[in-house]
Amino acid sequence: EIVLTQSPATLSLSPGERATLSCRASQSVSSYLAWHQQKPGQAPRLLIYDASNRATGIPARFSGSGSGTDFTLTISSLEPEDFAVYYCQQRSNWPITFGQGTRLEIE
Amino acid sequence: EVQLLESGGGLVQPGGSLRLSCAASGFTFSSYAMSWVRQAPGKGLEWVSAISGGGGGTNYADSVKGRFTISRDNSKNTLYLQMNSLRAEDTAVYYCAKGCVGRCYRLDDWGQGTLVTVSS
Repeated sequence: EIVLTQSPATLSLSPGERATLSCRASQSVSSYLAWHQQKPGQAPRLLIYDASNRATGIPARFSGSGSGTDFTLTISSLEPEDFAVYYCQQRSNWPITFGQGTRLEIE
Repeated sequence: EVQLLESGGGLVQPGGSLRLSCAASGFTFSSYAMSWVRQAPGKGLEWVSAISGGGGGTNYADSVKGRFTISRDNSKNTLYLQMNSLRAEDTAVYYCAKGCVGRCYRLDDWGQGTLVTVSS
């Protein structure tokens, strides 16, 4: 099973700041890495698929990069609605696995 | 607009069974792989199972293999998860998620989830 390790566990920032979230895989997942956002009481929402492709309707301030084992989600300038939990997820190998999540909170 | 509506959750005793359904609309259901993902209270996301568009290919997490069965009825645009021999650790919100065309197991769209509670 491919283990995804996200860092940091919690990130405290202010609106307007830049956020950088990391996801490291225990073995190569090629580019089959996605990022999902989840707000309290809501279902997850796909932000980025295949490492760097924004899903439909996702603002341009969200970007993804990386390949192989190291990936980054960047939010260029935080909006109030961006404070949430973010999960990375791989579909390179069965079983599909998720990282443990990064909580992005308002400082 | 893609819509996924889960149903069938509820309270069940350990060892019991439950069948979840996910009614899909807004896309050609039979063309897309589908998955179930769960989230225990206060915890992260855990993938449970996936099925190809035609239903011929299925995969399961080790934690549910032999107890859960994923299936689909493309004539009814509905995805199912039959859950048997339920355990306390199966307590979670269960989400269905739409993949991409063919045997492409992305998680592009999510339903709102249905809560399963396993308790005596």
